[in-house]
Amino acid sequence: AQRVTQPEKLLSVFKGAPVELKCNYSYSGSPELFWYVQYSRQRLQLLLRHISRESIKGFTADLNKGETSFHLKKPFAQEEDSAMYYCAPTPYAGGTSYGKLTFGQGTILTVHP
Amino acid sequence: DVKVTQSSRYLVKRTGEKVFLECVQDMDHENMFWYRQDPGLGLRLIYFSYDVKMKEKGDIPEGYSVSREKKERFSLILESASTNQTSMYLCASSFEGDNYGYTFGSGTRLTVV
Repeated sequence: AQRVTQPEKLLSVFKGAPVELKCNYSYSGSPELFWYVQYSRQRLQLLLRHISRESIKGFTADLNKGETSFHLKKPFAQEEDSAMYYCAPTPYAGGTSYGKLTFGQGTILTVHP
Repeated sequence: DVKVTQSSRYLVKRTGEKVFLECVQDMDHENMFWYRQDPGLGLRLIYFSYDVKMKEKGDIPEGYSVSREKKERFSLILESASTNQTSMYLCASSFEGDNYGYTFGSGTRLTVV
């Protein structure tokens, strides 16, 4: 069965410290991977997607096919990074999946001053 | 520049009522989705639609139905509301294909009493 796991429900760091939010998936084929973020009282929004190889707000995510992981990293956390983060792969299996995403359980990141 | 609009931010309904949650997008997206968001469980897919009048069950369709009569509108229907359907409901839309990610609505907090 296709599955995505975010092992940490809560993650606390201090401002300026590095942060890594873990995401592990079990999919066949080559899934497309996304990270979404939900700040307090805001709608869920796309943070970054693997295919773009981009860095958004200082965050990057590297796909490790060997470990089937897509961890989100930032070298120096800021207080405004405090939010709920979701990892979301598409179960792409060579045919159309209609862009259907499966979300992890989410990690609440708190960055202390 | 709101692009995915959910008609109600908060709803309180009684057990056994038929409940309609409405979602409208103005981006000409082919795909539309309904998720529920619960603490510790992340987002779980209820139903999705990849075209007008087309629908597919997600992971937790029991107790729900959907309607998509027009491309821009996707309705979630709770046939007979129950207290275990108290949740945050999120609507999302995306272009056809796997690489674009979702645009989310702001959510409807439904309480069934």
